[in-house]
Amino acid sequence: KQEVTQIPAALSVPEGENLVLNCSFTDSAIYNLQWFRQDPGKGLTSLLLIQSSQREQTSGRLNASLDKSSGRSTLYIAASQPGDSATYLCAVRLITNAGKSTFGDGTTLTVKP
Amino acid sequence: GAGVSQSPSNKVTEKGKDVELRCDPISGHTALYWYRQSLGQGLEFLIYFQGNSAPDKSGLPSDRFSAERTGGSVSTLTIQRTQQEDSAVYLCASSLGHGGNEQFFGPGTRLTVL
Repeated sequence: KQEVTQIPAALSVPEGENLVLNCSFTDSAIYNLQWFRQDPGKGLTSLLLIQSSQREQTSGRLNASLDKSSGRSTLYIAASQPGDSATYLCAVRLITNAGKSTFGDGTTLTVKP
Repeated sequence: GAGVSQSPSNKVTEKGKDVELRCDPISGHTALYWYRQSLGQGLEFLIYFQGNSAPDKSGLPSDRFSAERTGGSVSTLTIQRTQQEDSAVYLCASSLGHGGNEQFFGPGTRLTVL
C-alpha cells in the first residue's frame, strides 16, 4: 500500500525566503506525482505534475523535483510572498493504478510580511 | 473555459437521510474522480470514472456510498442513510484522457450530518 508523507506539517517563514517542502512515498513504482495548493475552505489548485520519467518541472517561482529511487519529491518556492500562504499537498499515482491518487497530509505554509 | 463545478456547496442533513452530491467536470474531460477530505484524515480517494465506467471503486467506505456517471459528463455521488462520520468535504476532480493525467479539482461540497 502506497504511503505518502509530507514534512514538515507546518512551516512559517518571513517574506522573501526561499523554502523547500518535502514529500516522500513508499512505493517507487509511480506513474506520476502532482503538487497542489489548497487555500482555506477551497478546492485544490494544481501547481506542477511530474511524470515518472522526469526529474523536475518548473513554473514561475516553483520548482518540483522527483527522485524515484529514494522515494522523494521536493517543491522549491523561491522568493516567498504572503500570497503563497496555503496548504501544499503532494499526490502520487502508481503505475498499476494510475486512476487512484494517494495524498500526503500536506504542509501548511505561512509567509509573514 | 469553466472549471469543475460541484453542487451544492454546502449540505446539512439529518442522520439517516439520503444525500446526492453533483459534479460537473471540465468539458471534454473523460476521467472523473471523487475524494473525501475529513478533519484530521487528509484526502481520501473514493472512486474513479473513465467515461461512464468505474474501473476503481475501492475507496468507497461502505455499501451506503454509490456513484454514477452518465453521458461521460456529470457524476452523482449518493450517500444513503447518512451517518455523522460521513461529515466531510467531498471533492471532485477531472482530467483529460486517461486517469493518469493532470487532475483539476472543484471547490467541493461540505456535508454536515446532524
